Amino acid sequence: EPEVTQTPSHQVTQMGQEVILRCVPISNHLYFYWYRQILGQKVEFLVSFYNNEISEKSEIFDDQFSVERPDGSNFTLKIRSTKLEDSAMYFCASSGRGGWETQYFGPGTRLLVL
Amino acid sequence: KQEVTQIPAALSVPEGENLVLNCSFTDSAIYNLQWFRQDPGKGLTSLLLIQSSQREQTSGRLNASLDKSSGRSTLYIAASQPGDSATYLCASAGYSSASKIIFGSGTRLSIRP
Repeated sequence: EPEVTQTPSHQVTQMGQEVILRCVPISNHLYFYWYRQILGQKVEFLVSFYNNEISEKSEIFDDQFSVERPDGSNFTLKIRSTKLEDSAMYFCASSGRGGWETQYFGPGTRLLVL
Repeated sequence: KQEVTQIPAALSVPEGENLVLNCSFTDSAIYNLQWFRQDPGKGLTSLLLIQSSQREQTSGRLNASLDKSSGRSTLYIAASQPGDSATYLCASAGYSSASKIIFGSGTRLSIRP
């Protein structure tokens, strides 16, 4: 069964460093998403992406964040200058035709900022 | 602004029991409501998605209901098994922003053998 994959599974970085989290969505899906979950807190929406542009973003998704689909298979989340509070599990998701369909989540990348 | 609440935060029941997990939401203008399962340190697995025009969805031992007028959804698990132990999350997508799912904080379920 097709699944969303994410790399790396864990990443440790120093405050102020740039990180890129990578995702490979399900191949025939058109909508892509990033969520994060700070330890012990709710899963929070960051951004949705369709047709090579951001379709919606939350207030969390400020200028430090960016997303890109550099080729036909990868979807990336970049954090330009990491802060301690960026430490969280980051989930990528994809769906076929939009938010009204089931979103399929990847296993997540656990980011720790020191 | 949509708020999604789940009660209880944790639940422990013996194997074989039927159980109900509750979810409430403040804005009834939802596009759909989805139930997920999250195992420790893992991603989210979609269990059931109910469109706003539907009242319930069933998959195996799971049944989810939706009552938009009261702002509630329930997830019914029949004949619970130890493998059902996980955190169950409900999440809603609104008409104004269907791609943005708002999650509840989850119910951590433990099934005792």
